[in-house]
Amino acid sequence: NAGVMQNPRHLVRRRGQEARLRCSPMKGHSHVYWYRQLPEEGLKFMVYLQKENIIDESGMPKERFSAEFPKEGPSILRIQQVVRGDSAAYFCASSPPGGGREETQYFGPGTRLLVL
Amino acid sequence: GESVGLHLPTLSVQEGDNSIINCAYSNSASDYFIWYKQESGKGPQFIIDIRSNMDKRQGQRVTVLLNKTVKHLSLQIAATQPGDSAVYFCAENRGSGTYKYIFGTGTRLKVLA
Repeated sequence: NAGVMQNPRHLVRRRGQEARLRCSPMKGHSHVYWYRQLPEEGLKFMVYLQKENIIDESGMPKERFSAEFPKEGPSILRIQQVVRGDSAAYFCASSPPGGGREETQYFGPGTRLLVL
Repeated sequence: GESVGLHLPTLSVQEGDNSIINCAYSNSASDYFIWYKQESGKGPQFIIDIRSNMDKRQGQRVTVLLNKTVKHLSLQIAATQPGDSAVYFCAENRGSGTYKYIFGTGTRLKVLA
């Protein structure tokens, strides 16, 4: 009964490098959400995806950030040319394919990105 | 603008006492609310939710109260235990077909032995 899985749990990158964060939703879940959390702050929505589709990316920065959820494999949040301000915890959540807005989102343990 | 805020950033409670964590939201169109618990180094853990057609909902040792008139949400934890120490977030879903949650900044609950 595995929950939402994220890897790596910790990621260190130098400025200008690329960061790839992976998320495997709970079994049977087809909706994936990415959130960012700065220290001592709440989570900020970034993007909502279903298999092979981006449904809502209103929280994604316009440049350097992209997300995908392919037909096979985990969802990927990709940050190109990282800057120090990208340092944060990135959480993935998933929900079942019920289609309702009120489907509870279950969170993974997060990936803590540190940009040197 | 978007705003889900909490009145108290840190709450210290004696073990065995009841805890009340408050949350104010700004969008009257929000119709679904959730409380999450986040322990250090971990992801948010679902505690309880409530829909806008309800005023109160109870779980195991937790109760959520919703006052739509003043746009206020609270989480009550009965007989607080050391394991309850964490940061608690309220989150709202704003309806109109959106699936994203808007999170508050959080309240840190410290349980004193």
